[in-house]
Amino acid sequence: SQTIHQWPATLVQPVGSPLSLECTVEGTSNPNLYWYRQAAGRGLQLLFYSVGIGQISSEVPQNLSASRPQDRQFILSSKKLLLSDSGFYLCAWSPTGGTDTQYFGPGTRLTVL
Amino acid sequence: GESVGLHLPTLSVQEGDNSIINCAYSNSASDYFIWYKQESGKGPQFIIDIRSNMDKRQGQRVTVLLNKTVKHLSLQIAATQPGDSAVYFCADNSGGSNYKLTFGKGTLLTVNP
Repeated sequence: SQTIHQWPATLVQPVGSPLSLECTVEGTSNPNLYWYRQAAGRGLQLLFYSVGIGQISSEVPQNLSASRPQDRQFILSSKKLLLSDSGFYLCAWSPTGGTDTQYFGPGTRLTVL
Repeated sequence: GESVGLHLPTLSVQEGDNSIINCAYSNSASDYFIWYKQESGKGPQFIIDIRSNMDKRQGQRVTVLLNKTVKHLSLQIAATQPGDSAVYFCADNSGGSNYKLTFGKGTLLTVNP
């Protein structure tokens, strides 16, 4: 069976510091990978998605970036965090080939102070 | 832009009652719909999905109904239990995308014992 991991689970960072959140998927090959952000009491905002190694599509202009150095690894980064970057960050995967169902990881709670 | 919306932000039911959570979508080209359950501090969990060639699909204690004429989606939970308390999101595939889902803001379901 497939599993998806995210770490860290929680993170408190000062404004202006860098960020690196990691997501890995097990039990599948060539998945589509996604990064979402969820503000408190709100829906999910798609930030990035990737259909293959090195292929990143950005949905929202911002100071965040994503990379996919390996087939089942997806990284969300920032060089300098803003207060507005606080939120719940979710990684998700879906099977390759255009299947629509996305499966989510446990999330990372980021607080920028 | 077009998005998935919800009729009610909160729903409170008694244990054992049936729950109905509603969702309206605006993109008539969307052909895939999903319901997710999100418990506090956790990632969304897939519940059930339906494609536009169907108008009803049943799972274990859950039923999803799709009315394409009025672009309406509903999730019915039979014999609601305290463990069903969570935020429920509907999502659609953004007008037929193979990769993107558009999420509604969510409905908070509270089950009273």
